[in-house]
Amino acid sequence: SQQGEEDPQALSIQEGENATMNCSYKTSINNLQWYRQNSGRGLVHLILIRSNEREKHSGRLRVTLDTSKKSSSLLITASRAADTASYFCATERQGGSEKLVFGKGMKLTVNP
Amino acid sequence: KAGVTQTPRYLIKTRGQQVTLSCSPISGHRSVSWYQQTPGQGLQFLFEYFSETQRNKGNFPGRFSGRQFSNSRSEMNVSTLELGDSALYLCASSPTRIAETQYFGPGTRLLVL
Repeated sequence: SQQGEEDPQALSIQEGENATMNCSYKTSINNLQWYRQNSGRGLVHLILIRSNEREKHSGRLRVTLDTSKKSSSLLITASRAADTASYFCATERQGGSEKLVFGKGMKLTVNP
Repeated sequence: KAGVTQTPRYLIKTRGQQVTLSCSPISGHRSVSWYQQTPGQGLQFLFEYFSETQRNKGNFPGRFSGRQFSNSRSEMNVSTLELGDSALYLCASSPTRIAETQYFGPGTRLLVL
């Protein structure tokens, strides 16, 4: 069963613009991670934020976590055509039996 | 370091058959997890292996099974295939069980006819 839900489900922007994706989840977590998937291939880990952290940066990525609202956002700044992919949030639930619980994903299209 | 490798990359089977998929983790990684990805259900956790033992299992029927070898390579088996088993099967590895980041392979795309 899905723990997370990304919003919006699809986003189309122009190169150079920023892209913001939101993720909501249902239960207490140890950490929340964002992954990227290109055209039905394997997932690539982008960034991880632990439950006691509020914000992290990695290159053009910025992720925030609000555990009181059970939500996270991923910001990609100065997007590039190569950022076109599906993005998934995944949570490591506290006491969960699953390794990771993934959201349904969000399709980002960056137009050159 | 070489990444996670999965074989075969593509597979076509018919209903009722069984299939075995293989995953070789990154060298030194001892935890291997399997996920099923379908358009309808998304990414769902199948099971996790560490030190040749299944540590966790997702909500899948007993037709789905797996194992891990002493070199950390893992296989998953699906018996009595159903049309709904058509999916991308992804394997992920990590150095230890408590390691947070998962490193995914390219997946095996299974089509059941």
